[in-house]
Amino acid sequence: AQSVSQHNHHVILSEAASLELGCNYSYGGTVNLFWYVQYPGQHLQLLLKYFSGDPLVKGIKGFEAEFIKSKFSFNLRKPSVQWSDTAEYFCAVNPFSNDYKLSFGAGTTVTVRA
Amino acid sequence: EAQVTQNPRYLITVTGKKLTVTCSQNMNHEYMSWYRQDPGLGLRQIYYSMNVEVTDKGDVPEGYKVSRKEKRNFPLILESPSPNQTSLYFCASSFGARGGETQYFGPGTRLLVL
Repeated sequence: AQSVSQHNHHVILSEAASLELGCNYSYGGTVNLFWYVQYPGQHLQLLLKYFSGDPLVKGIKGFEAEFIKSKFSFNLRKPSVQWSDTAEYFCAVNPFSNDYKLSFGAGTTVTVRA
Repeated sequence: EAQVTQNPRYLITVTGKKLTVTCSQNMNHEYMSWYRQDPGLGLRQIYYSMNVEVTDKGDVPEGYKVSRKEKRNFPLILESPSPNQTSLYFCASSFGARGGETQYFGPGTRLLVL
């Protein structure tokens, strides 16, 4: 079955450490790619998205993600995390083959220690 | 304020007792969708709607119904709830009638079926 895989279930970091969260998908063809974030007690919100063009996309709060088509990956990065980055992060894929569908990964909980 | 609202936010019910979770958006969005979030599984799409009177199944539609009689409302109906429907439910909407648009999420409804 087509799916979205997030490699890390729970990541614990210290402030100022670098963060990289992996996301792979198994859909063939063209896709739109997203990272959503859920801060404690808040709604899910968009962090960044990739539709086309430059495979390195920048989002809010210093996050960026790189689309590597050959690896079917869309990894999220932040060079220096803050305590306020503690949240759950979800990768999501919208395949052109089913334009109305949005599939999410299982999520990665990130805990940043002050 | 632009928002997606869900009611109720918390619900405890018993097996077989029909219930409805309401979802409303005030952004004149065409696309609306329901997800359930379960530990280790992330968000899974239940149903989505591309416009008024147009709905389709997502990945986990069994045991759920939806309707889209008005653009702003997209209620989720559980005709005969079962314990395996205990979950956190999110409604989302987007401007375009495509899953590739940025989704705006509601606050979630936590459902416990005894």
